[in-house]
Amino acid sequence: DTAVSQTPKYLVTQMGNDKSIKCEQNLGHDTMYWYKQDSKKFLKIMFSYNNKELIINETVPNRFSPKSPDKAHLNLHINSLELGDSAVYFCASSHLDRETDTQYFGPGTRLTVL
Amino acid sequence: GDSVTQMEGPVTLSEEAFLTINCTYTATGYPSLFWYVQYPGEGLQLLLKATKADDKGSNKGFEATYRKETTSFHLEKGSVQVSDSAVYFCALSDQGTYKYIFGTGTRLKVLA
Repeated sequence: DTAVSQTPKYLVTQMGNDKSIKCEQNLGHDTMYWYKQDSKKFLKIMFSYNNKELIINETVPNRFSPKSPDKAHLNLHINSLELGDSAVYFCASSHLDRETDTQYFGPGTRLTVL
Repeated sequence: GDSVTQMEGPVTLSEEAFLTINCTYTATGYPSLFWYVQYPGEGLQLLLKATKADDKGSNKGFEATYRKETTSFHLEKGSVQVSDSAVYFCALSDQGTYKYIFGTGTRLKVLA
């Protein structure tokens, strides 16, 4: 009965490869997010979808492409992986309403690019 | 734009010591304020929140009060335990842009 789940938990790959990370939430939330956490624990928002519509698109390389097939899923595809993409990627979900906008985070996907 | 500033860590305390982690914010509107906690190897989880000025959020012995006059939301706990060792993030939600803004995180280490 995991609320926000991500797969895979660990991802080790070579530079230049293309990879995807999947996220699913069963909380009935209308908004989902992708964050990148670097080695110093700094957390930076990358994208957000509300009801399958992109509402936040921060300055990230266009090698990163989010896809939301439905409200419960938000996947992240990364092309031509680079060393600097190594980080932990967190998916989160919430409502946008002020009273219920607590974000629920997945366990993270640790990406290592060799 | 909106921002969150929290004290740098790491903070190292003995068990049963008093904890304060400072957090200040800048915002053009009236954001909700949050403290999240991240245990090793896990995602962030909500510790407490406050949605308007003078609200006090509390959970598991932790407290923080939304102070509009000082734009602060300091986290406190009267007696920390070894199990409180984690990274703590202060955050605000900007209702205008739908963004969460996180502070840089403060690592807390509690020694037995």
